[in-house]
Amino acid sequence: DGGITQSPKYLFRKEGQNVTLSCEQNLNHDAMYWYRQDPGQGLRLIYYSQIVNDFQKGDIAEGYSVSREKKESFPLTVTSAQKNPTAFYLCASTYTGNTIYFGEGSWLTVV
Amino acid sequence: AQSVTQPDIHITVSEGASLELRCNYSYGATPYLFWYVQSPGQGLQLLLKYFSGDTLVQGIKGFEAEFKRSQSSFNLRKPSVHWSDAAEYFCAVGTSNDYKLSFGAGTTVTVRA
Repeated sequence: DGGITQSPKYLFRKEGQNVTLSCEQNLNHDAMYWYRQDPGQGLRLIYYSQIVNDFQKGDIAEGYSVSREKKESFPLTVTSAQKNPTAFYLCASTYTGNTIYFGEGSWLTVV
Repeated sequence: AQSVTQPDIHITVSEGASLELRCNYSYGATPYLFWYVQSPGQGLQLLLKYFSGDTLVQGIKGFEAEFKRSQSSFNLRKPSVHWSDAAEYFCAVGTSNDYKLSFGAGTTVTVRA
C-alpha cells in the first residue's frame, strides 16, 4: 500500500540521549516535513526538505536534526539539546504543491 | 508570514445537529486553505482544500467550507453531524511560494447523543 510510515509509534528517551524517529514514504513525493504537536498549540514545523540532500529549518528547529539522503526517507533526530521533547511527532509529504499528507505519528516521552 | 486563528477551542454539538467551525487567516495574497481532521493519537486526514475558483468547496464525509476573502475566513460546515465526527479539526494555510503550511491551534468537537 502507498503511504507514509512512521516508526516507532511509541518511544521513550532518557535524559541526555539522542533518539531518531523514522519516516518513509513510497508516494514518490518530493517534499517531506516534520511537525511537532503539543496540546492546545496545533502543529509546529520543525524541518522540511524539498529535494534530496537539502533541508530547511522550520519554526522550532533547535534541538533537532534531520537528513535527506534518499527521496523516500526523512529521519528526525531529537538531540539532548532539546529540553522539552515529550510530544507527538508527525511526518508529512507532498508532491503537488501544498496538499500535504500525514503519517500516523510517533509519541516520544522523556523518562 | 501567514497565520491561522481558530477561535473556538472546544465545541459540543448534538448528533444530527449542524456544525460550523471557524477559521480566520492572515496572508497578503491568495492563500491555499485546508481543513484536516485528527482522531486521538492518529495522523491528520485531509477533509477539503481551496486553491482557487469556486469559493464553496465540498470535501469528504459530508463537509463543506466557504472561502470569504472579505472576511479572511474559511469556515467548515456540516449539516448533520454523526457521532463519528467527534475529533479535532485543524485549519491550515499555505502559499504559492513554498510548500509550508501554518496550522491553527485546532478545535475539538464533542458529539453528544
